[in-house]
Amino acid sequence: DQQVKQNSPSLSVQEGRISILNCDYTNSMFDYFLWYKKYPAEGPTFLISISSIKDKNEDGRFTVFLNKSAKHLSLHIVPSQPGDSAVYFCAASVQGGSEKLVFGKGTKLTVNP
Amino acid sequence: SAVISQKPSRDICQRGTSLTIQCQVDSQVTMMFWYRQQPGQSLTLIATANQGSEATYESGFVIDKFPISRPNLTFSTLTVSNMSPEDSSIYLCSVLGREGGGYGYTFGSGTRLTVV
Repeated sequence: DQQVKQNSPSLSVQEGRISILNCDYTNSMFDYFLWYKKYPAEGPTFLISISSIKDKNEDGRFTVFLNKSAKHLSLHIVPSQPGDSAVYFCAASVQGGSEKLVFGKGTKLTVNP
Repeated sequence: SAVISQKPSRDICQRGTSLTIQCQVDSQVTMMFWYRQQPGQSLTLIATANQGSEATYESGFVIDKFPISRPNLTFSTLTVSNMSPEDSSIYLCSVLGREGGGYGYTFGSGTRLTVV
């Protein structure tokens, strides 16, 4: 049973436009959510996180939105750059993030120049 | 955040053999995590390695198949034993740290294993 779902395996956007990556979860015990970026032949790199006590967190071009009632979160990248082309993983945890992570299958983002 | 060195970066192995993957962290950490990413799948936790105690394995993973060592607070190994083609995956080690005011996990660069 997939507790964290990323239903779009791929997304393509034009440089300068907004990229929106979506993630749904089923476990209501999750209270901490993270986004990772992964380039080929590299390990995942932490991007941004959000606690369930918040509904938004920003870091530069990256914003994560959390809708607890819908068990949905999204990552917005504005403006998108070709260097953002990578696979993005959504992950969730309990106990404020101090426990193991449960990952989605990832969304491959391609930003076209 | 911690810096993790993981090796080998890739290997091609014969079925029935074993491969040991090493993970070195540049700081002392209590818990280290081993993940597997099968082709087209998400990252799945294999086990949590605590220094001074036996590793804790997730459902579907057993110590005989994936023995783990954790001799000190900066180093761990994962062995993939008696390999079959189904073990072809990317294996990653990870440590918990602080990122952006909250928790975050730092990953090694991964070991791409192909079993033939």
